[in-house]
Amino acid sequence: DQQVKQNSPSLSVQEGRISILNCDYTNSMFDYFLWYKKYPAEGPTFLISISSIKDKNEDGRFTVFLNKSAKHLSLHIVPSQPGDSAVYFCAASKGYGGATNKLIFGTGTLLAVQP
Amino acid sequence: DAGVIQSPRHEVTEMGQEVTLRCKPISGHDYLFWYRQTMMRGLELLIYFNNNVPIDDSGMPEDRFSAKMPNASFSTLKIQPSEPRDSAVYFCASSLYGRGLAYEQFFGPGTRLTVL
Repeated sequence: DQQVKQNSPSLSVQEGRISILNCDYTNSMFDYFLWYKKYPAEGPTFLISISSIKDKNEDGRFTVFLNKSAKHLSLHIVPSQPGDSAVYFCAASKGYGGATNKLIFGTGTLLAVQP
Repeated sequence: DAGVIQSPRHEVTEMGQEVTLRCKPISGHDYLFWYRQTMMRGLELLIYFNNNVPIDDSGMPEDRFSAKMPNASFSTLKIQPSEPRDSAVYFCASSLYGRGLAYEQFFGPGTRLTVL
């Protein structure tokens, strides 16, 4: 069973507009969430994270929102740039600050930013 | 820092052959992870080590898969015998446990495995 779901395999947006990538999870024990970005022929790289004690975390053009009651998080990119075109993975974990570093990843969303 | 190093970058083999994938984690990192990426399942965690000791291998699909970490700077993932359904991109990642860094894993470039 897929505990972390990204239901949109792909998304296309115009340069300068907002990109919104969505992620749903089923395990209420998850308390830390991350987004990773992946370019072709490269490994994923960490982008931004949020703990369950917050509902928003912002880093430059990237903002992650967490809705615990809906078990939903989203990544907003404003403004979108062509260099943002990549696959974005959502990941979740249990035990923030605890002894485990195990991440559960979603299937990814391919973002294409059109010039 | 060179980052996480994986070899080979590409591997093409025939069904039934043994395949060995290699990983060198970032120096000083105490966690090492092996993942498999497929279109259908995304990034799946296969196994992870802490201080060279396997902690969780529940993601290893079958007995055909095995992983070792003989020292802090080297790990292998072996598939014997390989099957066409093993074709995927395999990633190695490492991390350093500590508040604020506990969940930031650094990935290697991956090994694209094709089993004919």
